[in-house]
Amino acid sequence: SQQGEEDPQALSIQEGENATMNCSYKTSINNLQWYRQNSGRGLVHLILIRSNEREKHSGRLRVTLDTSKKSSSLLITASRAADTASYFCAMRITGANNLFFGTGTRLTVIP
Amino acid sequence: SAVISQKPSRDICQRGTSLTIQCQVDSQVTMMFWYRQQPGQSLTLIATANQGSEATYESGFVIDKFPISRPNLTFSTLTVSNMSPEDSSIYLCSVRTSGNTDTQYFGPGTRLTVL
Repeated sequence: SQQGEEDPQALSIQEGENATMNCSYKTSINNLQWYRQNSGRGLVHLILIRSNEREKHSGRLRVTLDTSKKSSSLLITASRAADTASYFCAMRITGANNLFFGTGTRLTVIP
Repeated sequence: SAVISQKPSRDICQRGTSLTIQCQVDSQVTMMFWYRQQPGQSLTLIATANQGSEATYESGFVIDKFPISRPNLTFSTLTVSNMSPEDSSIYLCSVRTSGNTDTQYFGPGTRLTVL
């Protein structure tokens, strides 16, 4: 069953703008991971943030985590057309060995 | 990191038949998983493939429909049995590496269409 909700479901922006996607979850987690999926292909791992971390950066990506609100956000700065993809958050729930996925955000970057 | 390959990458099958999907990892991994992604949906865990023992299935998935093998630490198969059009999905193998990273990696997926 889905453990996370993402919003917006779809986002369309102009190249060069920033894109923010939000993820909310329901239970205690060990970490939260963000993935990108291009056109129904395999998932590419973007970034992992642990429950004791509040913010992480990787290139143009910035992820925040607020465990008190059970939410995370992914910010992509200076977007490019190649960033067009679906983005998923996935939670490593405390005590579980696998990941539970959010509903996903479909991002379209218009050149 | 882990490099994962899956075979086949896609297939079109007839109702009532079965398809076995293979997953090969380039290194020994502690845990392997199988996920399903129905059209336009997110990923749902089918089962955890346990090396040397029966797989652990999630609610809504049963061994008779999705038998899984994991003979060693780098290989697993998922069979989709007695297929119906509702089984049309992308099936993804995933592995969790040991160590401090706790990162989970995914294979390229197998796109299955059942007619």
